[in-house]
Parts: sequence; structure tokens; C-alpha cells
Amino acid sequence: QSALTQPPSVSGSPGQSVTISCTGTSSDVGSYNRVSWYQQPPGTAPKLMIYEVSNRPSGVPDRFSGSKSGNTASLTISGLQAEDEADYYCSLYTSSSGYVFGTGTKVTVL
Amino acid sequence: QVQLVESGGGLVKPGGSLRLSCAASGFTFSDYYMSWIRQAPGKGLEWVSYISSSSSYTNYADSVKGRFTISRDNAKNSLYLQMNSLRAEDTAVYYCARGDGTVHTNWGQGTLVTVSS
Repeated sequence: QSALTQPPSVSGSPGQSVTISCTGTSSDVGSYNRVSWYQQPPGTAPKLMIYEVSNRPSGVPDRFSGSKSGNTASLTISGLQAEDEADYYCSLYTSSSGYVFGTGTKVTVL
Repeated sequence: QVQLVESGGGLVKPGGSLRLSCAASGFTFSDYYMSWIRQAPGKGLEWVSYISSSSSYTNYADSVKGRFTISRDNAKNSLYLQMNSLRAEDTAVYYCARGDGTVHTNWGQGTLVTVSS
């Protein structure tokens, strides 16, 4: 199972929206609604932000939203804040291959 | 609250072995799948292995299959990773994480494993 493809970096000014894509194939992202997203600020452990494509765990701000179209899942951060600066990873679980992570995207708040 | 604390990392020579431990607290450990996930310096996340709540099922990434063994002791609320035949490319921070459905809801702070001569 190859890593899912994410852009290396995205950036935006405070208050703007940014969207991170996570591209797989029709056999993985396209076939399952088991995409999740993790936030990893520098020097810290990852934190779950979105599960099953578009669900937010308790405590995650509603500025974070997820969606999927075809073989690509997306994470959108609306109303960007300085504290959102971090690396973000998508992840997918399949019963055959276990878990696969995306290549990671660095979000920079300008 | 949920706490996961990894230990056992360190410097080991290529071909050597190391055993990582993860002490869990704040939840009913025996109810959850558990995973090991690693992150090489400056690189992305890589899932390593998971184990079912009763140890009846395990799964491994191809990169570690046959060299690493995951296990758990529910009486001690502990997760383990036995790593043999270590290679330079196994150098990483190793995280233990609680599985909940298809996601990892809680992560430890990680323990660094360095494989170098």
C-alpha cells in the first residue's frame, strides 16, 4: 500500500481558508469512507481532527471540516488562526493493508 | 484522562534488538485495539503494527513483517514492540496509539530509536 499523496505545503493569512488534498486510488480512498485527518504541531504527537471523512471528535473546532470526492479527500481550515500552523496527515484504514498515511502537508500561517 | 507513555528507546547497532513498552492509563485498556506508529526524523508518519484487544489478531506493515512482534499484557495495561534485526531505516520516533474503530484517538509522546554503528 503506497502512501496517499498530499501537497507538501499550503499557506494562508489569518482569517483565510486553506484546503489540503489527500489523493489515493479507486481501490483505497475511492472505495472507503474511513479517511481521517491528524494535526501535528512541531515537536508534539499527532492529534485526531477528523474521522470517517467528515466527522469531528469532541473538542475540535468547527473551523475544521472534511469531505471526499472520488479518489480525493480534503481537509479545509476556515478562519485560519496562528495556532493552526502544523503538519497535517490524512490516513486510511483498510482491512487488507492496515493503515496508510498521507505524505503530510505543512500549513503555514502568514 | 487517557495517558500513553512509551519507553525503551535508545541507540542500537544494526542487526541488534530492542523492546519498546507503552504504559496505558485512564481507560479500559483491554477494550481497545492498540497500534505502533513511527516517524523517521523529518519525515512523515508510518503505521507499523496493530493488535486486537484480546491479542487474537495482529497485523504488520510489510517493512517490518518478520522482524517486529507486537504483544500486550492486559493485566498490566501494557503494549510492547519487540524489534529484531534492526536496520538504519528503522530509526524513528515510535508512538503507541489507541485504536477506536478505524482511527487512532490517542497517542503517546513517543520514544526515539536510533539504529547506528
